[in-house]
Amino acid sequence: GAGVSQTPSNKVTEKGKYVELRCDPISGHTALYWYRQSLGQGPEFLIYFQGTGAADDSGLPNDRFFAVRPEGSVSTLKIQRTERGDSAVYLCASSLAGLSTDTQYFGPGTRLTVL
Amino acid sequence: AQSVSQHNHHVILSEAASLELGCNYSYGGTVNLFWYVQYPGQHLQLLLKYFSGDPLVKGIKGFEAEFIKSKFSFNLRKPSVQWSDTAEYFCAVNEGNNNDMRFGAGTRLTVKP
Repeated sequence: GAGVSQTPSNKVTEKGKYVELRCDPISGHTALYWYRQSLGQGPEFLIYFQGTGAADDSGLPNDRFFAVRPEGSVSTLKIQRTERGDSAVYLCASSLAGLSTDTQYFGPGTRLTVL
Repeated sequence: AQSVSQHNHHVILSEAASLELGCNYSYGGTVNLFWYVQYPGQHLQLLLKYFSGDPLVKGIKGFEAEFIKSKFSFNLRKPSVQWSDTAEYFCAVNEGNNNDMRFGAGTRLTVKP
């Protein structure tokens, strides 16, 4: 069956530009998560959606980062005024009900490079 | 600060050797514990998880992990590794009913044929 998909797979941008990263979760999964993985590190939690609402955005590093999930399915992570330090792999995951014990299924990630 | 520690950054073993990867966490309350694996060129996928019951958890591909509450540990084990186990392994923890899962930095396992 279809897993979590993310587009684009790679994004190269210049410092100061705006980028959008897209995540398509597994059909029927109500919970969606964004993580950021820097080189040599484990994934770092950014934000969690339950349905259309952001249930926990405590991991967003600053107000340049924003995410939406308007219809409770596809989500977009938006980064304004990108900085070189934003370069990382951005991972999306989804789970069936959003319980803390649920398995999170990860997508392949979007590799963002800010020049 | 709350954290997850994986003691080994890179482990190199020969086929048929036994494996143990360490994971310690610093949360004081109820925790849910996970091990994820990332094979070369593939997505992160779940190996096993613990949230209650028997502290010895069996996962896929012959892996198991033991939750030792008094040591705040959740070490991953496999009695005999194969070349196909070459991958990066991540320990992850979330606390109680929270969904912000915290990952360790990962351990890269290389199995020599």
